[in-house]
Amino acid sequence: GDSVTQMEGPVTLSEEAFLTINCTYTATGYPSLFWYVQYPGEGLQLLLKATKADDKGSNKGFEATYRKETTSFHLEKGSVQVSDSAVYFCALSLIQGAQKLVFGQGTRLTINP
Amino acid sequence: GAVVSQHPSRVICKSGTSVKIECRSLDFQATTMFWYRQFPKQSLMLMATSNEGSKATYEQGVEKDKFLINHASLTLSTLTVTSAHPEDSSFYICSAPGYTFGSGTRLTVV
Repeated sequence: GDSVTQMEGPVTLSEEAFLTINCTYTATGYPSLFWYVQYPGEGLQLLLKATKADDKGSNKGFEATYRKETTSFHLEKGSVQVSDSAVYFCALSLIQGAQKLVFGQGTRLTINP
Repeated sequence: GAVVSQHPSRVICKSGTSVKIECRSLDFQATTMFWYRQFPKQSLMLMATSNEGSKATYEQGVEKDKFLINHASLTLSTLTVTSAHPEDSSFYICSAPGYTFGSGTRLTVV
């Protein structure tokens, strides 16, 4: 079935470090891909998305490129801040418009000053 | 942008009682709403899809009689956890089309 696999956490970095959170997917069709962020005690916020191969989603300094050849959608940020500490979820949606999401297991990120 | 309001944010209830969680679309109409559950330190799993004017669609393994879903209008969907037990303690969150999520409800059954 369709699935999303993220790198295991937790991930702890120092402020201004470079961040990569790996995400790979398995899908029978051509999914849209997403990164969501969940801050402590809050719901999910859409961080960025990409709907077709080679698309790059970006927001708040975060980027991810839809790589069909490697079935990946790795999240990157060049210089993280303490305020980026949160849980990050990679997700896919297979059916255009139906918008049901399949989530990865989440990666907890902690940024130390 | 689209805003989904979810209430309550936290609820503690006694075992055997029922709890209702509401999700409202504030500035748009939603014929569909998705309900997810997140156990501690785990990912979100889709429970069911509510459909305005018709029955909800449940994912495999989700008890329809325990998790009652009603899509009463184009702006309101509700999830009622009936006869709650401690194992139902979880984080429940709704999502509207357009990938907008509510803020979630943390349910603790004691």
